[in-house]
Amino acid sequence: AQRVTQPEKLLSVFKGAPVELKCNYSYSGSPELFWYVQYSRQRLQLLLRHISRESIKGFTADLNKGETSFHLKKPFAQEEDSAMYYCALRDTGGFKTIFGAGTRLFVKA
Amino acid sequence: DAGVTQSPTHLIKTRGQHVTLRCSPISGHKSVSWYQQVLGQGPQFIFQYYEKEERGRGNFPDRFSARQFPNYSSELNVNALLLGDSALYLCASSNPGTSGNTIYFGEGSWLTVV
Repeated sequence: AQRVTQPEKLLSVFKGAPVELKCNYSYSGSPELFWYVQYSRQRLQLLLRHISRESIKGFTADLNKGETSFHLKKPFAQEEDSAMYYCALRDTGGFKTIFGAGTRLFVKA
Repeated sequence: DAGVTQSPTHLIKTRGQHVTLRCSPISGHKSVSWYQQVLGQGPQFIFQYYEKEERGRGNFPDRFSARQFPNYSSELNVNALLLGDSALYLCASSNPGTSGNTIYFGEGSWLTVV
């Protein structure tokens, strides 16, 4: 069964501290993995995708097929990073995207 | 540059009633997908339409239906509303086959069933 698991509902860190938001997935094929972010009073938006292997706003995520994980990392958290983060998986057909339950990141001053 | 637009933004319905939610995709996008987001959970996939055909369906009862029009806009219909249907309904548009195929979300329609 296709599933995305984000084990932490809430993650609280101090400004300048490293942050890692965990994501594990279950999928039999070769999925596309994404991280979406929702800032306060804004719509859900794409943060990054594993295909691009890019760094957005200092965040990176590496797909580990052996561990079926796609953890989101940032070495130095900023207050403006406080938001809801969702890990998502899209099937190979590209017509179904499955989201995790989300992790709320709170960066304290 | 208009993003994905949804209407209405908020609505209240009574159990047993029917509701229609509307979505206009970004200009040039041919695919629309619908998600249900219950408080405290991530978005749950309901449907995806591409070129007016259903291409994917999530685990939702037959009370949920949708369609896509020639101009690529879409409607989500829910019949015989239950209290548990209260949620934020998100529409997203994309262009499968293009580079990246990024999904862009609307702000959603808040449905409350009383």
